[in-house]
Amino acid sequence: QSVVTQPPSASGTPGQRVTISCSGSSSNIGSNTVNWYQQVPGTAPKLLIYNNNQRPSGVPDRFSGSKSGTSASLAISGLQSEDEADYYCAPWDASLNGWVFGGGTKLTVL
Amino acid sequence: EVQLVESGGDLVQPGGSLRLSCAASGFTFSNYWMTWVRQAPGKGLEWVANIKKDGSEKYYVDSVKGRFTISRDNAKNSLYLQMHSLRAEDTAVYYCARQETSYSYAFDIWGQGTMVTVSS
Repeated sequence: QSVVTQPPSASGTPGQRVTISCSGSSSNIGSNTVNWYQQVPGTAPKLLIYNNNQRPSGVPDRFSGSKSGTSASLAISGLQSEDEADYYCAPWDASLNGWVFGGGTKLTVL
Repeated sequence: EVQLVESGGDLVQPGGSLRLSCAASGFTFSNYWMTWVRQAPGKGLEWVANIKKDGSEKYYVDSVKGRFTISRDNAKNSLYLQMHSLRAEDTAVYYCARQETSYSYAFDIWGQGTMVTVSS
């Protein structure tokens, strides 16, 4: 069981806005930046958001991240069918001295 | 093209050993921290270990400490994971990834993964 908690599933219809939460503690999210990864089943993960709210080049601005206290969230606006994937948050944990991944959230586009 | 290619995955008996490799190309390997992440079948991602640019610092998840060793050869642009005393719970796809300094060390480039199966 991860020290960082995400809802196991989320869903939305095309064009909608969905958010995925990520809850941690003072030793991880509370004191370090959060990165988000997208993984389409059967493929390698892809970096989506780094440093809480920054997008690598090539990531559409439909994806945005935020952080407040010991929680972070990923928002996807204008939902598209190709957004159907698993999403993971990942902060560094100072107590564990290592990176931790949330359990992952499976996004379904209805 | 920036690329990471893992190899070495195999079927191994419990208690056995295995060495994974990750070949880097398209970037200056020695300028980057590198990491291993694994994913058990049907499960989420789990960070395993990472190593500093020059190999002087290494960090591990508790579950592999004392059994796994991460190393690198900057002259060969290669990252390794030596695994001993393998257990059924080590069964997973193992990914190597690059940590981009300007991205707060986020994992910006990933390999395609190599499968390790621990079973008798």
